Amino acid sequence: SQQGEEDPQALSIQEGENATMNCSYKTSINNLQWYRQNSGRGLVHLILIRSNEREKHSGRLRVTLDTSKKSSSLLITASRAADTASYFCTSGTYKYIFGTGTRLKVLA
Amino acid sequence: NAGVTQTPKFQVLKTGQSMTLQCAQDMNHEYMSWYRQDPGMGLRLIHYSVGAGITDQGEVPNGYNVSRSTTEDFPLRLLSAAPSQTSVYFCASSTDVGETQYFGPGTRLLVL
Repeated sequence: SQQGEEDPQALSIQEGENATMNCSYKTSINNLQWYRQNSGRGLVHLILIRSNEREKHSGRLRVTLDTSKKSSSLLITASRAADTASYFCTSGTYKYIFGTGTRLKVLA
Repeated sequence: NAGVTQTPKFQVLKTGQSMTLQCAQDMNHEYMSWYRQDPGMGLRLIHYSVGAGITDQGEVPNGYNVSRSTTEDFPLRLLSAAPSQTSVYFCASSTDVGETQYFGPGTRLLVL
């Protein structure tokens, strides 16, 4: 099994600012995934980055992966109130392990 | 495509009752999984399946059974409900092990 642990646990920023959250994991991975969860809803997939990739972009999202440090970061640029959610990272083959997530609050 | 569907959306059970949470996907995905999420927590894997007829335990399997008779359906059975099983249950599927997972909307379960 693999594990993702997100940091910080909570983050509060103003609309228009950038938000950065980090993820650490313990063992070798094939890929790492980031998900968003709006309150009480199912998780929505954001980005999958493979172990041979160092950076990936999707719209306002930028994910980096450092396999030597077993860490990843998710950057949301020009944040909006609609980005308010919890963000989770995970990696896995047969068994996905999720951390407790980063709760992002974007203030209008 | 309906994606991943879960029924019911909300259920109240009494301690000791049994029930089945339904999960179905129409994307022909091989990998399916069940998670529970407690307040303020991440998701914990209960059981998973890599294809019809193949299931295995996750992180917190006790008190739950699963079966996978078809590619589309992956029901989760609570054998004898306990208050500790009060949670939100999510089903997810992916094309294969380790790929992007697509989540259902969840089932909120309250055990009294």
